[in-house]
Amino acid sequence: QQQLQESGPGLVKPSETLSLTCTISGGSIKNSFYYWGWIRQPPGKGLEWIGTISYSGSTSTYYNPSLNSRVTISVDTSKDQFSLKLTSVTAADTAVYYCASFCSSSRCPAGAFDIWGQGTLVTVSS
Amino acid sequence: EIVLTQSPGTLSLSPGERATLSCRASQSIRSSDLALVSWYQQKPGQAPRLLIYGASNRASGIPDRFSGSGSGTDFTLTISRLEPEDFAVYYCQQYGPFGQGTKVEIK
Repeated sequence: QQQLQESGPGLVKPSETLSLTCTISGGSIKNSFYYWGWIRQPPGKGLEWIGTISYSGSTSTYYNPSLNSRVTISVDTSKDQFSLKLTSVTAADTAVYYCASFCSSSRCPAGAFDIWGQGTLVTVSS
Repeated sequence: EIVLTQSPGTLSLSPGERATLSCRASQSIRSSDLALVSWYQQKPGQAPRLLIYGASNRASGIPDRFSGSGSGTDFTLTISRLEPEDFAVYYCQQYGPFGQGTKVEIK
């Protein structure tokens, strides 16, 4: 059973770059059935999609237009990991950040984030 | 960019009652497998859990009291008889974006 785990600093200073990594276990980032995504949730608020990356030899990325200028998602195939970088953070970026697998095949729940990490709280504060 | 709007914001019901949650898209969702609506349940302190994908397909292990329907711009999640563990926040999602959520609370 595929599992995902987020890792990274829990505290980031304003104007700096937030960096998180998601490690896949029990599966492979090269799995053609899946894309890989990041979603966040500010305290007491709803879910916000950050972006999604697909890997099938080469990568394609899809970002939330409201975050597009500050976000980069990338993959490390040697470690079965994908990463999130969010630049110029402010207090509004304080949230629980989730990584999740997005099914792109009829072999799994197509069009849905079917497996989620447990989430990691990132606080932006000086 | 499609915007998903959920209603109502909060639904106050008793165990055993039927819950009907709505998700409306700002434009018609094209009918490809990756573009149909999914529904998630989230309880406090937990990651969201996939309930429904492709508008009407239950995910693995989801009880049959949960059902999804709809097409085009209007989608519905129905919980036929609320169990105590069903009181939670529910989100719809299409490809990337999520709706703002509906909280189902105990009346």
